[in-house]
Amino acid sequence: NAGVTQTPKFQVLKTGQSMTLQCAQDMNHEYMSWYRQDPGMGLRLIHYSVGAGITDQGEVPNGYNVSRSTTEDFPLRLLSAAPSQTSVYFCASSYLVAGELFFGEGSRLTVL
Amino acid sequence: DQQVKQNSPSLSVQEGRISILNCDYTNSMFDYFLWYKKYPAEGPTFLISISSIKDKNEDGRFTVFLNKSAKHLSLHIVPSQPGDSAVYFCAAQEAGNMLTFGGGTRLMVKP
Repeated sequence: NAGVTQTPKFQVLKTGQSMTLQCAQDMNHEYMSWYRQDPGMGLRLIHYSVGAGITDQGEVPNGYNVSRSTTEDFPLRLLSAAPSQTSVYFCASSYLVAGELFFGEGSRLTVL
Repeated sequence: DQQVKQNSPSLSVQEGRISILNCDYTNSMFDYFLWYKKYPAEGPTFLISISSIKDKNEDGRFTVFLNKSAKHLSLHIVPSQPGDSAVYFCAAQEAGNMLTFGGGTRLMVKP
């Protein structure tokens, strides 16, 4: 009963490097989303998806790309990392757009 | 401009007493509100929710109150336990849209 699985849990990047944060869920949820958590800012929505093949921007989408080729997976790509992207990233899924989100354990990213 | 605000970054309470966490919102179209609890190095977990058609929802030691005219909701924990020490996020939703979260309040329950 894995729920939402994120990898890696920790990552250090240099400015300008690219990487992908992986997210997978095994609950057959249609809705998936990525949030970043910064001190005092709470959880801010980066991108979300309402189903395979459909993605949309959230509150803070700049510098990030997503795709949703399957119901299970929703990777988040940083194309050219910047120090401002140092944060803790959470992937979440839900059965309906209205209702309880299930979160992964988070990925802590540091950009030097 | 934050639509959901938790104005107290931290709160310290003695074990057995009541903890009251507050949340204010500005968007009158929000019609569903949730509270999440987060322990260090873990993802947030759902705690309790309330629809805008209600003013109170209770689940064991946790009660959420909604005052729509004041655009204010609060989470009451009675009695508080050391295991309740965590960061609490309130979240709000407009029908069909994704959740908007507040900045979080760190609750410390002292034995």
